[in-house]
Amino acid sequence: DAKTTQPNSMESNEEEPVHLPCNHSTISGTDYIHWYRQLPSQGPEYVIHGLTSNVNNRMASLAIAEDRKSSTLILHRATLRDAAVYYCIPYAGNMLTFGGGTRLMVKP
Amino acid sequence: EAGVAQSPRYKIIEKRQSVAFWCNPISGHATLYWYQQILGQGPKLLIQFQNNGVVDDSQLPKDRFSAERLKGVDSTLKIQPAKLEDSAVYLCASSLVRDWGYGYTFGSGTRLTVV
Repeated sequence: DAKTTQPNSMESNEEEPVHLPCNHSTISGTDYIHWYRQLPSQGPEYVIHGLTSNVNNRMASLAIAEDRKSSTLILHRATLRDAAVYYCIPYAGNMLTFGGGTRLMVKP
Repeated sequence: EAGVAQSPRYKIIEKRQSVAFWCNPISGHATLYWYQQILGQGPKLLIQFQNNGVVDDSQLPKDRFSAERLKGVDSTLKIQPAKLEDSAVYLCASSLVRDWGYGYTFGSGTRLTVV
């Protein structure tokens, strides 16, 4: 499995954009990059995924570097409900392997 | 659609006792996973089922942990005997198609405290 490096924690102000970085320099060419988040006292939930191109959905945007060694999850306007641990996961088609993730704190 | 159901929500036991957790996945989801999440860490996969067969149990401590998925639907995870280091949240997840990394749905978990 590809190893990932994410900041342990980040802080954001409410209503401002947040950029959550992830380094995955050993990712294989066919691994999709998935992002899940875990709200307090809940199981993880899917956020977004992509292979090479940038992706958008109603929750977030995913920007993938051209060399695929890093990616950035973008929350366009953080709300208090976005406070969670965000996991970046290169996925090879067998199982989701979680690292430590980034704990995002949102200040009102 | 209904989510992944897990019970109990909380459990406190003494070390060397046994405990069982139950999971009811989303209807029609063939793949079921059990994860262990120790406080401050990301979830770690313990076992993966495809219908009622085991796909991967390489991370399951088989001397004390066991899991089954009868009839390819509900699943139970058992610990016998429990140790202090088993204190964790046990998460169950299911997915419709095993290869879809975006298709995992997790339950809220069972928080186990071993004293």
